Amino acid sequence: DAKTTQPPSMDCAEGRAANLPCNHSTISGNEYVYWYRQIHSQGPQYIIHGLKNNETNEMASLIITEDRKSSTLILPHATLRDTAVYYCIVRGASGGSYIPTFGRGTSLIVHP
Amino acid sequence: DAGVIQSPRHEVTEMGQEVTLRCKPISGHDYLFWYRQTMMRGLELLIYFNNNVPIDDSGMPEDRFSAKMPNASFSTLKIQPSEPRDSAVYFCASSLARTGEAFFGQGTRLTVV
Repeated sequence: DAKTTQPPSMDCAEGRAANLPCNHSTISGNEYVYWYRQIHSQGPQYIIHGLKNNETNEMASLIITEDRKSSTLILPHATLRDTAVYYCIVRGASGGSYIPTFGRGTSLIVHP
Repeated sequence: DAGVIQSPRHEVTEMGQEVTLRCKPISGHDYLFWYRQTMMRGLELLIYFNNNVPIDDSGMPEDRFSAKMPNASFSTLKIQPSEPRDSAVYFCASSLARTGEAFFGQGTRLTVV
């Protein structure tokens, strides 16, 4: 019963930007948007999170719409090593919604 | 810190045997989560602890599954008796409530034959 909707798969050319969308139309005011990714045979890895402002770190950028009902994770220059399943999840600061609950995510394939 | 450490990385056991999976969370983290991942069901939460106390075990599939956290640096997930349908990758994760960022271990791949 994940609160997010993501396309099941996407592909991207190496060196190009990968833009992964996520819909979270029922997000509440105190809930954050988190992104994780899971490379084959490894545990999920945290990428970035945000509340309402756009965020950037060394891995990616997170763009959250003004109404907060959707967001986009941007990998500015995708590499073959970015091939993974990307999960968008919504989490509150405390209480039951704190628990990281994962849907099926988006399988991103970066091709040469 | 070495991150979340799980052992063993791989476990093959016969149906009916007891299996114990182990997890060492990141020092200072006060939340610990156990997940199971299969192709059919994806990544599902089994149980989580806060300050070593089990908070929600509603994801534990059956009474054959049990989890403990005797201290802040160690947790176990036990399956007794094990069945072939328990075959999956089991992940442990820990986090600080304040930041919310969860760090995952490398997982234990369990095969019950």
